[in-house]
Amino acid sequence: SYVLTQPPSVSVAPGQTARITCGGNNIGSKSVHWYQQKPGQAPVLVVYDDSDRPSGIPERFSGSNSGNTATLTISRVEAGDEADYYCQVWDSSSDLRVFGGGTKLTVL
Amino acid sequence: QVQLVQSGAEVKKPGASVKVSCKASGYTFTSYYMHWVRQAPGQGLEWMGIINPSGGSTSYAQKFQGRVTMTRDTSTSTVYMELSSLRSEDTAVYYCARVLQGGYAAAFDIWGQGTMVTVSS
Repeated sequence: SYVLTQPPSVSVAPGQTARITCGGNNIGSKSVHWYQQKPGQAPVLVVYDDSDRPSGIPERFSGSNSGNTATLTISRVEAGDEADYYCQVWDSSSDLRVFGGGTKLTVL
Repeated sequence: QVQLVQSGAEVKKPGASVKVSCKASGYTFTSYYMHWVRQAPGQGLEWMGIINPSGGSTSYAQKFQGRVTMTRDTSTSTVYMELSSLRSEDTAVYYCARVLQGGYAAAFDIWGQGTMVTVSS
């Protein structure tokens, strides 16, 4: 089955840029979605189809996808961005929705 | 506004079944696929399956085949997820999630608040 690999943790100082990667075999050929989850809350979609943002999501959140790596970039990081972030794809060959293991973003 | 409201927390014994509901409002229920995702304590997100509220067709993750049943009631705009033969490893928060813009392969843009299911003897 298709596997998505994320770093367990990423740390960044306020105002800096955070980059969270999501690795998968030829992931560049798939549409990647990103979710933010704060403790005790349901996930929130922050980027879909590699680089689109739902309404209400700040422009500071952006995404890219090429080759074997997709990346969620958070510019001008704020304390409120501290959360777990998950990437997700649809594996058409198995008709499965697959999540990465999640990355905990810590704002120093 | 668009929202998904799930049923309350459940405590079940091993071997029992649990049925979680997810009531949709604020949009045309039959126009958007619905998924179920679960999250064990301190763990990541795990996809369980998808249901088409229009025709009722389903597709389940292999891990749950034979134990999970997803159904819907169009008269009340509610989808259900029933998991049988519960074991301690099924202790988790269960979420329903609607797809964005109705697409089969689309992202999950609206999530329920989650339902905690605890399996314990």
